[in-house]
Parts: sequence; structure tokens; C-alpha cells
Amino acid sequence: AQKVTQAQTEISVVEKEDVTLDCVYETRDTTYYLFWYKQPPSGELVFLIRRNSFDEQNEISGRYSWNFQKSTSSFNFTITASQVVDSAVYFCALSAVNTGNQFYFGTGTSLTVIP
Amino acid sequence: EAGVAQSPRYKIIEKRQSVAFWCNPISGHATLYWYQQILGQGPKLLIQFQNNGVVDDSQLPKDRFSAERLKGVDSTLKIQPAKLEDSAVYLCASSLWPTGDTEAFFGQGTRLTVV
Repeated sequence: AQKVTQAQTEISVVEKEDVTLDCVYETRDTTYYLFWYKQPPSGELVFLIRRNSFDEQNEISGRYSWNFQKSTSSFNFTITASQVVDSAVYFCALSAVNTGNQFYFGTGTSLTVIP
Repeated sequence: EAGVAQSPRYKIIEKRQSVAFWCNPISGHATLYWYQQILGQGPKLLIQFQNNGVVDDSQLPKDRFSAERLKGVDSTLKIQPAKLEDSAVYLCASSLWPTGDTEAFFGQGTRLTVV
């Protein structure tokens, strides 16, 4: 079975602080994909990043960076120098070939950036 | 490129009534998903289509929920009769193909309130 755990329910930071959102996953598949989505108050899920299980390279995109560690089954997301516009709910998700590639989402982390 | 379109954005109905949601995916996307997102939770897959065929509907409450994707493009999701616990946001998503190495694009969702 596939499972994604986001232990942090809510996080508040002051603008310009760095913040890391944790994601731990469980799967028995050897081929799987990990995703992060952002859900602003408008409700639409916005794709941020996709990683496959064979690529453990960390990635940086502007103020966003992702740390994928298979040894700890984690795929953490860091926002550097946070901004008010980063306030949203962030979801980590997993998909695997053996379960039809449907997305299994975590429960989300609500991030509030205080000006 | 136009995104995933959903309508209506909001719907309030009484329990035991019926309701229908509509989704128009991104042009050329063969895979279409319907997700249910209960407040405070991550989205949960209800049904997945590949073109106009059903790939996975194992979590669709078939005694009250139905979905179709005519001609492999637009899709409708129906609930009849609705229960209080159906109050949620219903998200439609589409992707180029069903494998995990592509992201899904989500619509803004339909917020259903059953009273």
C-alpha cells in the first residue's frame, strides 16, 4: 500500500525566514514518483515538482529546494526567504506503477507567512 | 494553454437531492481524474479515466456516485442521492498519460455543501 505522511499540520513563519515542509512516504514499489503541490485559497492545486525513485539529486528552483532521501523515505521541501504569497496548503503526493499511477496525497501542511 | 475547467464552483443542496459536476480537461490529455477533498484532508481518488474507459473506480461509492467521460473529453460526476458526508470539494484533474512520470493539472474544484 502507498502512504504519505505530512506530520506538520500548520506552520507559521515571519516573512524572509526559511521554512522546511516534511514529507515521509511508504511504498513497496521500486518505481515510483513523488510530487509537491501548492493549494492557495483559490483551491486549485498547483504543480511544483516531480521526482522519480531513481533520481535522488536535490533540486533548486529559485527560492524552492527539494531534498529526496530514499534511505529515510523522505522528500522534504524548503522555501528560502519566505514571502506572504507563499501562504498556502502544501501537499506531498506519491504515485506508483503498480497502483495504476493514481496520486496518494498526504494530509497537507498549512503554511502562513506573517508580514 | 487553457487549464482544467470545472463548473459549478459552488453548490448547496439538501440531503437526498441529486447533483452533477462538469469537467473539461486540458486539450489532448488522455487521462482524467476525479478527486474528493474533505476539509482538512488530502484529495482522495474517486475515479480515473483513460480516454473514455475507466481505469480505476475502486473508491467510488457506486451506490450513489456515477461518472462518465463521453468521447474521451469532458466528464461529469453525479451524486444521487447526496448525503451529509458528501460535503467536500470535488477536484477534476487531467494528465497527458497515466504513468507517474507526468504531472496532473487540477481545476479549481466544485465546493459541495449538503445540508
